[in-house]
Amino acid sequence: QVQLQESGPGLVKPSQTLSLTCTVSGGSISSGNYYWSWIRQPAGKGLEWIGRIYTSGSTNYNPSLKSRVTISVDTSKNQFSLKLSSVTAADTAVYYCARVLPDYSSSWYPFDYWGQGTLVSVSS
Amino acid sequence: QSVLTQPPSLSGAPGQRVTISCTGSSSNIGAGYDVQWYQQLPGTAPKLLIYGNINRPSGVPDRFSGSKSGTSASLAITGLQAEDEADYYCQSYDSSLSGFVVFGGGTKLTVL
Repeated sequence: QVQLQESGPGLVKPSQTLSLTCTVSGGSISSGNYYWSWIRQPAGKGLEWIGRIYTSGSTNYNPSLKSRVTISVDTSKNQFSLKLSSVTAADTAVYYCARVLPDYSSSWYPFDYWGQGTLVSVSS
Repeated sequence: QSVLTQPPSLSGAPGQRVTISCTGSSSNIGAGYDVQWYQQLPGTAPKLLIYGNINRPSGVPDRFSGSKSGTSASLAITGLQAEDEADYYCQSYDSSLSGFVVFGGGTKLTVL
């Protein structure tokens, strides 16, 4: 059973960089045709896709966040990470990591496994 | 403002049938990209409910069904139960700009 767990600071100051890590257990992050994504949800609002990474390291980002986002993978630690720079209060949200169902007809969706989410607040 | 449009809220009595709509455009649902549906219970992560427009993952009751036509999709729930009270999100892919995953704004389903 695959499990994902987000970790990182729960409080970030405005203009700084938000950094989160997703640790994958129950399987190797790179042993299959796997794409991994970050998705966020402000309190009381809907879901927003942030971006994704393939185990080779290739990435795609939401155009609205592309200039501030970096997603990377560390296969030796079975982890992938999110960095979001120049944060403002609008970046306050629960951040989820998720896996795209492998070997599906699309490499963009669906998201079959999700982490429990971690709340990141941006405040001075 | 979400790329995919859902009604903000719906309600139904136990045992009833409800339908949640998801309206997109020619660059996402209308372009032939699949629609997925996720159920989010309070305080939990979303759970995949329907993928590929009509398919249910193992363990999802057949009370849940999906459909797609043109630029829209729908999630139907029959035999409504108290535990179905949750937020529901549709999701697809949009080919505009450089292409990205899009979600609906979510529908809060209340079981009366």
